Amino acid sequence: SQELEQSPQSLIVQEGKNLTINCTSSKTLYGLYWYKQKYGEGLIFLMMLQKGGEEKSHEKITAKLDEKKQQSSLHITASQPSHAGIYLCGADVNQGGKLIFGQGTELSVKP
Amino acid sequence: DSGVTQTPKHLITATGQRVTLRCSPRSGDLSVYWYQQSLDQGLQFLIQYYNGEERAKGNILERFSAQQFPDLHSELNLSSLELGDSALYFCASSTHGEGTEAFFGQGTRLTVV
Repeated sequence: SQELEQSPQSLIVQEGKNLTINCTSSKTLYGLYWYKQKYGEGLIFLMMLQKGGEEKSHEKITAKLDEKKQQSSLHITASQPSHAGIYLCGADVNQGGKLIFGQGTELSVKP
Repeated sequence: DSGVTQTPKHLITATGQRVTLRCSPRSGDLSVYWYQQSLDQGLQFLIQYYNGEERAKGNILERFSAQQFPDLHSELNLSSLELGDSALYFCASSTHGEGTEAFFGQGTRLTVV
């Protein structure tokens, strides 16, 4: 089984709708990172969360960290076609900086 | 633009050959990471260097090796290539390592034929 589980694996939403992507770790989290990737391209850093209960926002994207549940959620408000892509959560579970990644969530936004 | 530069962007080579992938980290970043992304395995950590020293090793094959030079750029060497080595190889860099954001390059797409 995956050390870092993302759900859902894929998501199709209508433009303007809200959505949430979840990331659950089977190991203690020392840092949780969210990235966005266009197919075949590099990863774009979105946010880093380190403390339990921490919440960060950038434009219409909000990420939260529940340290006790070893979970993070990424919420997009009023989705736009520009939000389409693959969202990856990465976790530092060794306190060394190297990250393990979930399998990704492929998001499609229909105009 | 993340500030991490990887060359080449694309590489096509034959089985059994050896290739070198290059990474220039963001200015000031001491830590460099190499990852492999394939359809079946997802994004997998290979190896980390910090200020020229190997810091952590992941699922890196013995046919693969890496190093970080005094100017902090890094190279990933892949030898005796097999069809299954075809993947996207990413380099990432961060300021210190733990607790700092890691920024990724655009990747090198390796195709082994």
